[in-house]
Amino acid sequence: EVQLQESGPGLVKPSQSLSLTCSVTGYSITSNYWGWIRKFPGNKMEWMGYISYSGSTSYNPSLKSRISITRDTSKNQFFLQLNSVTTEDTATYYCARFGTTRVMDAWGQGASVTVSS
Amino acid sequence: DVVMTQTPVSLSVSLGGQVSISCRSSQSLVHNNGNTYLSWYLQKPGQSPQLLIYKVSNRFSGISDRFSGSGSGTDFTLKISRVEPDDLGVYYCGQGTQYHTFGAGTKLELK
Repeated sequence: EVQLQESGPGLVKPSQSLSLTCSVTGYSITSNYWGWIRKFPGNKMEWMGYISYSGSTSYNPSLKSRISITRDTSKNQFFLQLNSVTTEDTATYYCARFGTTRVMDAWGQGASVTVSS
Repeated sequence: DVVMTQTPVSLSVSLGGQVSISCRSSQSLVHNNGNTYLSWYLQKPGQSPQLLIYKVSNRFSGISDRFSGSGSGTDFTLKISRVEPDDLGVYYCGQGTQYHTFGAGTKLELK
């Protein structure tokens, strides 16, 4: 059974970079697509981007200038970096596996990140 | 962006009852390959979202047949029959035809 686990700082200062790690067990990240979704206070959900089994990436156009998703296949981990954060980036960040039917079919438990000075 | 408009914002239901949630997209979700990538998710309190339905009407592994999806083009519906306590939470529709976007969510509560 695939399991995903997010980790990273829960507090980031404005203008700095947000960095999160997703550790995957039970499934290789060299198959499928793997990405990040965030849920803002008040329920709004936003797809941020994903990295494919081959290492290619696709990002939400609204974040394209600030986001980077990378991976370490030797550790079966993938990473999120979001630059120049503001308080508007305060959210719970989820990593997820993307299935062949363009859905998120496995999710991590979520990492709450607050952007505040 | 494909905007997903989900209604209602909240629903109150009695146990054993039936509810419907509507989702409308700002443009057709039919992909060039003929598939319609409309899905439904449930986020139970304190948990991560979970996939319920994919490609409009296909139940994900382990999902009860009390959940059914229907629709086409830009208009879609999720129906939940014989509501149980474990069904409570926030339901989201999502599309994967053009990038990915989600509806604003529908909170299902007990009456």
